[in-house]
Amino acid sequence: NAGVTQTPKFQVLKTGQSMTLQCAQDMNHNSMYWYRQDPGMGLRLIYYSASEGTTDKGEVPNGYNVSRLNKREFSLRLESAAPSQTSVYFCASSEQSHGETQYFGPGTRLLVL
Amino acid sequence: GENVEQHPSTLSVQEGDSAVIKCTYSDSASNYFPWYKQELGKRPQLIIDIRSNVGEKKDQRIAVTLNKTAKHFSLHITETQPEDSAVYFCAARVGYSTLTFGKGTMLLVSP
Repeated sequence: NAGVTQTPKFQVLKTGQSMTLQCAQDMNHNSMYWYRQDPGMGLRLIYYSASEGTTDKGEVPNGYNVSRLNKREFSLRLESAAPSQTSVYFCASSEQSHGETQYFGPGTRLLVL
Repeated sequence: GENVEQHPSTLSVQEGDSAVIKCTYSDSASNYFPWYKQELGKRPQLIIDIRSNVGEKKDQRIAVTLNKTAKHFSLHITETQPEDSAVYFCAARVGYSTLTFGKGTMLLVSP
């Protein structure tokens, strides 16, 4: 089992460009999450999907959109990237929405110039 | 919403010493408190967790204590080793909602 995988590992964007971060899990988990990690700020929830077909905003959703493509895949889209979105993005999954163990992907490091 | 504060932000200890990281939470309805460890350049991984009906939980050299009255919980690492060096995050969950994370503690264990 690969667990949670993310692509790409690293990306450089110019301000205003768009991109989609991909996440997939092979653990048959119902719930998936997108976090951003900034120095000194911990892990902040952007969006989550409690189950296939549902998505909800987290703490910092502005500037992002998500799609739960199927049970395995959950993508994060930046429509018009801004320097403030420079961060490390982690996808995670858990068996249930209140499922206690979240399994994280390896992260995507994004630099917006 | 829930607010989780974590202290200290950096902690340096000598190998073999104990390390304690403390977190406070704001919502008395919080019922689940996990701790994640993140090694440099790696993903966060769950190392131990505790539920609100338990006061203490141990797993080898690590333990977590919970004081519901004071709304704080702590991670205790005994006999620290260089491989314990990492960033540790606490988190709290209210009911069946999502996790709220603290800002992290960088633990440095010197040989």
